[in-house]
Amino acid sequence: LAKTTQPISMDSYEGQEVNITCSHNNIATNDYITWYQQFPSQGPRFIIQGYKTKVTNEVASLFIPADRKSSTLSLPRVSLSDTAVYYCLVGDKDSGAGSYQLTFGKGTKLSVIP
Amino acid sequence: EAQVTQNPRYLITVTGKKLTVTCSQNMNHEYMSWYRQDPGLGLRQIYYSMNVEVTDKGDVPEGYKVSRKEKRNFPLILESPSPNQTSLYFCASRTLAGEETQYFGPGTRLLVL
Repeated sequence: LAKTTQPISMDSYEGQEVNITCSHNNIATNDYITWYQQFPSQGPRFIIQGYKTKVTNEVASLFIPADRKSSTLSLPRVSLSDTAVYYCLVGDKDSGAGSYQLTFGKGTKLSVIP
Repeated sequence: EAQVTQNPRYLITVTGKKLTVTCSQNMNHEYMSWYRQDPGLGLRQIYYSMNVEVTDKGDVPEGYKVSRKEKRNFPLILESPSPNQTSLYFCASRTLAGEETQYFGPGTRLLVL
């Protein structure tokens, strides 16, 4: 399983761009990188997913360098409602054994300050 | 509406009293999974299922059982609950084709006295 490492917490002011970096040195060739957002007492919610280079949707951007050993989630102009825990997930897609076990790390707690 | 539902949402029980938490999804997903979430430990996978009658252990399976007799349902069974199973539980599902997005249920908060 590819292990991920993220900062435990981050603070940001409203309106700023926030970048959260995740390290995944042991990422496998078939693995995708997925980010989830979780509010207190709610289930995680999908934000964005990518394999390489850059992916952008209406919520965030995901930057993945060529070696894929890290990735950066970028949230443009955060608001108070973006205060949440953000998880970086690297899929363990061992198609031979049929294993789809996914491991969440401890996530990054983002606090947006007015 | 595509969703994952869990019942009950809140449960208080006593040590040793068997309980079942139900999970159902209406998206025809092959893959279903159970997680527990504890302060400071993040989300940890308990069991997962690739399809009907196919289940496998996650990171913390001890003390839990699951079954997958129907594609839409994936109940979590605690045969003899203990206080260390007090936690917030999430069920999730996803398709095995295409993107790997998991859809999570609203959570079940369990207190074992």
